[in-house]
Amino acid sequence: AQSVTQLDSQVPVFEEAPVELRCNYSSSVSVYLFWYVQYPNQGLQLLLKYLSGSTLVESINGFEAEFNKSQTSFHLRKPSVHISDTAEYFCAVSPVGGYNKLIFGAGTRLAVHP
Amino acid sequence: EAGVAQSPRYKIIEKRQSVAFWCNPISGHATLYWYQQILGQGPKLLIQFQNNGVVDDSQLPKDRFSAERLKGVDSTLKIQPAKLEDSAVYLCASSSRTTAGTDTQYFGPGTRLTVL
Repeated sequence: AQSVTQLDSQVPVFEEAPVELRCNYSSSVSVYLFWYVQYPNQGLQLLLKYLSGSTLVESINGFEAEFNKSQTSFHLRKPSVHISDTAEYFCAVSPVGGYNKLIFGAGTRLAVHP
Repeated sequence: EAGVAQSPRYKIIEKRQSVAFWCNPISGHATLYWYQQILGQGPKLLIQFQNNGVVDDSQLPKDRFSAERLKGVDSTLKIQPAKLEDSAVYLCASSSRTTAGTDTQYFGPGTRLTVL
């Protein structure tokens, strides 16, 4: 079985400051890793994913996440946030060979203040 | 390209009543998912279809929940009878195929159910 723990339920931060949203997972099998974002009044959207290869993955809007197998973590970072980054962020895993099933964490609400 | 469509967006019912949700996936997507998202929690997979066959329904409370995907396109999720703990957002998602976990799932806006 798999489980995902997002260590912070809320993260307040000022605009242009760096941010890190933490995600740890537990699994007895290899997994793929994902970050999804939900902007206010919108559906979940894929932000980035790790399937294989380089452990550092990037999104088109400046976020990056690093897969750390030894620490079973997949933390999300951005060096300088904008007001428009205010949203809920969900970390998820999908077991390799598991028919694309996603197991989500409880989410982290990022609030960017001016 | 049109996204995943869901209706209704909001529904309020009393306990023991029945309710149904509808989902239309992205055109050509073979795989369809229903998730339940309770307030303060992440989405939980209820059922996954590949075309019109069920791939995974291990977390679907089958005594009250049912789902179907006729003709491998639209899908309906039903709750009968509803309980207070069914209050949640019900999300539909689709992906182009089922592989070893590499396909991007595209989510609809969800249906917010309140059971009184």
